[in-house]
Amino acid sequence: EPEVTQTPSHQVTQMGQEVILRCVPISNHLYFYWYRQILGQKVEFLVSFYNNEISEKSEIFDDQFSVERPDGSNFTLKIRSTKLEDSAMYFCASSAGTGRYSGSGNTIYFGEGSWLTVV
Amino acid sequence: AQKITQTQPGMFVQEKEAVTLDCTYDTSDPSYGLFWYKQPSSGEMIFLIYQGSYDQQNATEGRYSLNFQKARKSANLVISASQLGDSAMYFCAMREGQRGSARQLTFGSGTQLTVLP
Repeated sequence: EPEVTQTPSHQVTQMGQEVILRCVPISNHLYFYWYRQILGQKVEFLVSFYNNEISEKSEIFDDQFSVERPDGSNFTLKIRSTKLEDSAMYFCASSAGTGRYSGSGNTIYFGEGSWLTVV
Repeated sequence: AQKITQTQPGMFVQEKEAVTLDCTYDTSDPSYGLFWYKQPSSGEMIFLIYQGSYDQQNATEGRYSLNFQKARKSANLVISASQLGDSAMYFCAMREGQRGSARQLTFGSGTQLTVLP
C-alpha cells in the first residue's frame, strides 16, 4: 500500500542550527501538508502546499519556516535557527484531494513522523 | 469555540468488547470531511476512517465504523471486538472547505483508549 515516508525519524540539533525534514508524499497525490505535535499536546497545522505554492499556513508558520518541493517527489520543511520550543514530532501528510467531500479521495495520509529534539 | 471536541480524555474497554469514542464538531460550511486517526505509543499517525459531509451512509472499515449524525454534528468512532493492539490515542479531525481545497485538518484533543485483557 502506498505510504508517506519521512526522514529522518529522529534528529537532535543544537539550538540555533538549521534543520531540514524530508518527506516523500504518495505519488499521485496533489496536496501536501506539514503538521507538528509537541509532546502530549494536540496535532497542529503548519502549512499546506498545492501546485508548487503554499496554499494555507498557520500563525506558527512564521519566517523561521519554509517549505519546498525541489523535485517531483520530495517535499521538505526547513526550520531556520531552531529554538528549544521547536522540539516536537513533525508529520508530513498528503492527499489526492479530488471530488466533493464524499468518498475517500479527500483522505489525508500521514507519514510516521520526524522527532525533532532541540538542545 | 472548539471546532472538534473529544470529551473523553481516557477510556477503558475489555478485550473483545465494543467501544464508542465520542467526537462532536462545529462548522457552518456545508462541505467538510471527518477523519479518525490512531496514534500508538510509537508516535505514528495511522488513518482509520473517513466520512464526507455528503456521504449518505455511515463509513465502515473493518472493525471500525463511524456513527455520523449530521444534525447533531457528531461523528463517533465505534470499534467492535476490541483487541489489545487497539490501545492507543485516538484523534478525531475535520477538514472544511470546497472541493480540491488544501484546507487544513483541525484535530481534537484525543482520547486515550486502553484495552484490558
